[in-house]
Amino acid sequence: GESVGLHLPTLSVQEGDNSIINCAYSNSASDYFIWYKQESGKGPQFIIDIRSNMDKRQGQRVTVLLNKTVKHLSLQIAATQPGDSAVYFCAENHANAGKSTFGDGTTLTVKP
Amino acid sequence: DGGITQSPKYLFRKEGQNVTLSCEQNLNHDAMYWYRQDPGQGLRLIYYSQIVNDFQKGDIAEGYSVSREKKESFPLTVTSAQQNPTAFYLCASSIAVTGELFFGEGSRLTVL
Repeated sequence: GESVGLHLPTLSVQEGDNSIINCAYSNSASDYFIWYKQESGKGPQFIIDIRSNMDKRQGQRVTVLLNKTVKHLSLQIAATQPGDSAVYFCAENHANAGKSTFGDGTTLTVKP
Repeated sequence: DGGITQSPKYLFRKEGQNVTLSCEQNLNHDAMYWYRQDPGQGLRLIYYSQIVNDFQKGDIAEGYSVSREKKESFPLTVTSAQQNPTAFYLCASSIAVTGELFFGEGSRLTVL
């Protein structure tokens, strides 16, 4: 069967390596997904989003993959930099909900 | 600059006191939200409002109250009924209920 990445509460990578952060969502009716980055003591900031009619979306150095079959979302960061160190959250939403539900965050630490 | 302003950034409260956290946005967004974040944890929804003069309870509304008399403002009152109010409170807004969230910088409440 297809392998699905596990959600890890912490992730440590070497500067320059690629990072993969995983998230499992709960509601099969969710049709909009967002990744946020939260730096220490600050509010989360939008990174990238994807709608359920897509399975991949790319931004600058970031890619989001969506697997609706297993309700799994991942965020890939290319050439990770020290400034990428933060907590990353995924969020799911659907029109009838009127609100976003956040997953457990992953703390990314980038080692120089 | 457009954005969300939360105040105060830090607040100390004695047990038994009510406190009100301010949230103002000039993004012309219809929807506004309050989230609570405890150390090392994700965001939990307290209350949200999709239009003026209307709001709904989130997942952890007990001990909190809100009002939405103006589109720009969504204050949160932490009442004495909230058993464990020490936390980081985040206000957010979105242009639509399924849109990305724009967060303020947060208010850190400590009960003495």
